[in-house]
Formats: sequence, structure tokens, C-alpha cells
Amino acid sequence: DAKTTQPPSMDCAEGRAANLPCNHSTISGNEYVYWYRQIHSQGPQYIIHGLKNNETNEMASLIITEDRKSSTLILPHATLRDTAVYYCIVRVYTNFGNEKLTFGTGTRLTIIP
Amino acid sequence: DGGITQSPKYLFRKEGQNVTLSCEQNLNHDAMYWYRQDPGQGLRLIYYSQIVNDFQKGDIAEGYSVSREKKESFPLTVTSAQKNPTAFYLCASSIVRGGYEQFFGPGTRLTVL
Repeated sequence: DAKTTQPPSMDCAEGRAANLPCNHSTISGNEYVYWYRQIHSQGPQYIIHGLKNNETNEMASLIITEDRKSSTLILPHATLRDTAVYYCIVRVYTNFGNEKLTFGTGTRLTIIP
Repeated sequence: DGGITQSPKYLFRKEGQNVTLSCEQNLNHDAMYWYRQDPGQGLRLIYYSQIVNDFQKGDIAEGYSVSREKKESFPLTVTSAQKNPTAFYLCASSIVRGGYEQFFGPGTRLTVL
């Protein structure tokens, strides 16, 4: 799986959009970008994933650059409950098994009241 | 409610003792996983299983053992051979085909004294 690089920490004002960057310059054509988050002392929670098109769901939007070497997770209206560590993961998805996720150290996002 | 349960949330053991961590899921998922998390670090895969009576080693399997006798259950034993067992242990599950998301339990924090 391709390696990812994320800033160790970020702050965002409550109510504003939080934009979390991720670099994955060695990504392969068949590797997906996944985002999970982990609130303190809890299990990680899936947020969103994508291959090459931008994606949006009820939690967030994922913007992937055209060359796929980087992506941005956008939380459109951040709340205090969004304070967490956000992990960007790149992995191959196969239809034969949902294999391991390789978590880095992520970005610690703090939402400021 | 469907989900993954891990028990207990906090566990204390004396050095040299084996300890078994429980993980149960009622999501009807075929695949289950065990991860270890150390302070300030990402998750590392210990073992995973994609079907009953079968499991594979992850990145850090030494000093751990698992069993998968039932679809719903995937217990992890931390043996006395594990040199640094104090950590936060997370169990996850997923469907095998057609799924993108791993669902995580609340975790067990093991402290070896």
C-alpha cells in the first residue's frame, strides 16, 4: 500500500470548513483513498473513500487531485464533536477480501469554540 | 443494536500471565481483525480472519494468538511471550466481498504490571 503524509495537527474554528490534506505521491492506479477518524480512546470510524472522482456523503467531502497524488478531506461545518485524529489511508481494494488497513499517525484536528 | 463489543474496557494483568481479550460482533460479517495501538501512534494489525476456522498473521503477530471457531467471535490471547503487551487493543469486522468499511469496537486498554 502507498505511504501517506499528513500534517500532525490542525485547528479549525467551530462552524467553519475543516480542510485536511493528505499526500500520497506513490499511489497506484488501483489504490483507493480512505479516510477514518478516531475520537479519543474510541475505535476508528469510517468517513469516506474514493478512487479518482470527488466524493461526498453525509459526513464529508473528498477531493482527489487529477494526478491522484494528493487529496483533501473537507468537513463543511465543523463542530466540537469533530475533534479527533483523522487518518488518510491508501490501499488496494479487492473483491476477494477486505484486507488490512495501514494506519499512519494521522492529523489531530482540534475544533476551537 | 448491531455492532461490535469488546470486553472488558480496562484490563490489568501481572507480567508473565496470559490474557484473553473478547471480541463479538452481530453484524454477520465474515472478516474480523485485531489491531494494537500505542500512545500517539496509528493502528498496527495483529491478526485477521476472513472466514471461520481460518486466520492470517498481520504485521505484529509475535506473542499473540487467536481463534475463530464461530463467525461472531474472534478472541485474542496476549501471551507471556509478548514483550510489551501494554497497549490499546481494537477489534474490527467487515464484509468480505463488496464492502469498503471496517467497523471497529470500543477497544480494550490492557495494562501489564
